[in-house]
Amino acid sequence: GQNIDQPTEMTATEGAIVQINCTYQTSGFNGLFWYQQHAGEAPTFLSYNVLDGLEEKGRFSSFLSRSKGYSYLLLKELQMKDSASYLCAVKDSNYQLIWGAGTKLIIKP
Amino acid sequence: NAGVTQTPKFRILKIGQSMTLQCTQDMNHNYMYWYRQDPGMGLKLIYYSVGAGITDKGEVPNGYNVSRSTTEDFPLRLELAAPSQTSVYFCASSYSAETGGYTFGSGTRLTVV
Repeated sequence: GQNIDQPTEMTATEGAIVQINCTYQTSGFNGLFWYQQHAGEAPTFLSYNVLDGLEEKGRFSSFLSRSKGYSYLLLKELQMKDSASYLCAVKDSNYQLIWGAGTKLIIKP
Repeated sequence: NAGVTQTPKFRILKIGQSMTLQCTQDMNHNYMYWYRQDPGMGLKLIYYSVGAGITDKGEVPNGYNVSRSTTEDFPLRLELAAPSQTSVYFCASSYSAETGGYTFGSGTRLTVV
């Protein structure tokens, strides 16, 4: 079966750095996405990785290792507004998105 | 540019009632999707469409129906609502299947009592 694993919840301090991991087992791979979802709102696109390596976008970076079935989302200089759930999703061989359950990130002052 | 518009935002249904969740996008996207999101679970695909007149089942289609008569609209129909259909429903669209992410609507919170 297809599976995306990510931690259920993480806590970090304002101004710090946090890394949210995602491991996947899917039938085929056509890209990995990270979305941010604030409570009661829709997911919004953060990043896309299809090749191995690090993609940096401002305070957010995303890393991919296809051989290890592993990705992480790195958030720097954490702000209170970063409190949200972070969803990892993989496009499989049929170009369907398979979603993880999300990691709820709690930022403390 | 409104993006993806979903209505209603909230709805309470009684068991056995029916309703249609509306979804409209103005980005001329070919691909549209309906997901449900339950607490502690990943988004589950209900139905999707690759263009007007073409729809297909996703992972959890039972109890739902869709139609795609135009590029813009992709309504989701619930027949004979059941408590198991209590969930948050998201409509999404994308330009292509191969590249790019999805744009989501704001969601519909449905409670079946």
